[in-house]
Amino acid sequence: GAVVSQHPSWVICKSGTSVKIECRSLDFQATTMFWYRQFPKQSLMLMATSNEGSKATYEQGVEKDKFLINHASLTLSTLTVTSAHPEDSSFYICSARLGGRNTEAFFGQGTRLTVV
Amino acid sequence: AQSVTQPDIHITVSEGASLELRCNYSYGATPYLFWYVQSPGQGLQLLLKYFSGDTLVQGIKGFEAEFKRSQSSFNLRKPSVHWSDAAEYFCAVGAGWGDDKIIFGKGTRLHILP
Repeated sequence: GAVVSQHPSWVICKSGTSVKIECRSLDFQATTMFWYRQFPKQSLMLMATSNEGSKATYEQGVEKDKFLINHASLTLSTLTVTSAHPEDSSFYICSARLGGRNTEAFFGQGTRLTVV
Repeated sequence: AQSVTQPDIHITVSEGASLELRCNYSYGATPYLFWYVQSPGQGLQLLLKYFSGDTLVQGIKGFEAEFKRSQSSFNLRKPSVHWSDAAEYFCAVGAGWGDDKIIFGKGTRLHILP
């Protein structure tokens, strides 16, 4: 199947700093990628849909100024957590679907963010 | 908007016993349904998916799921579980087009007794 690579796998940052997470589709082009957040022992919550060449679509309750998404190419989307605080500590997972109908989603391995 | 309900937060079964994890969905059109498995601290692995056709879908690791439109359900089954099946299982629903989002249920954690 298609491969989605996420980097870094884990990151620790100081409160008030910004952190960038990258999501790459390695062997296919993804016009759309998705960013999820997962709290410990909870489900994946969709944060936003990242569209190549246009603004991301954020889910209700997600701060767009806090979680900046850039989808500059067909193989790369980035999520930047700005002015991170301890409550932003979480597991962030990106996903990409192949274009067209009847396609599954492929997931990155996730990024564990810890803000201290 | 689509939604997914997994009514069981935890399920415990003995190794070798059969398993059924429940999933109900809500979607205005023909749903595209998925089951994913997540081991602790890991990403997601697709077990199986239903898009159309035969309502009984076979997946990896001996799992299968049956789509029942009348019950809005997509339950996951395995005839005999192994200790390595202990993990978190997520049911998900999405639209057919590749640019549409996939929404996840809250997950069911499977525990295996030796």
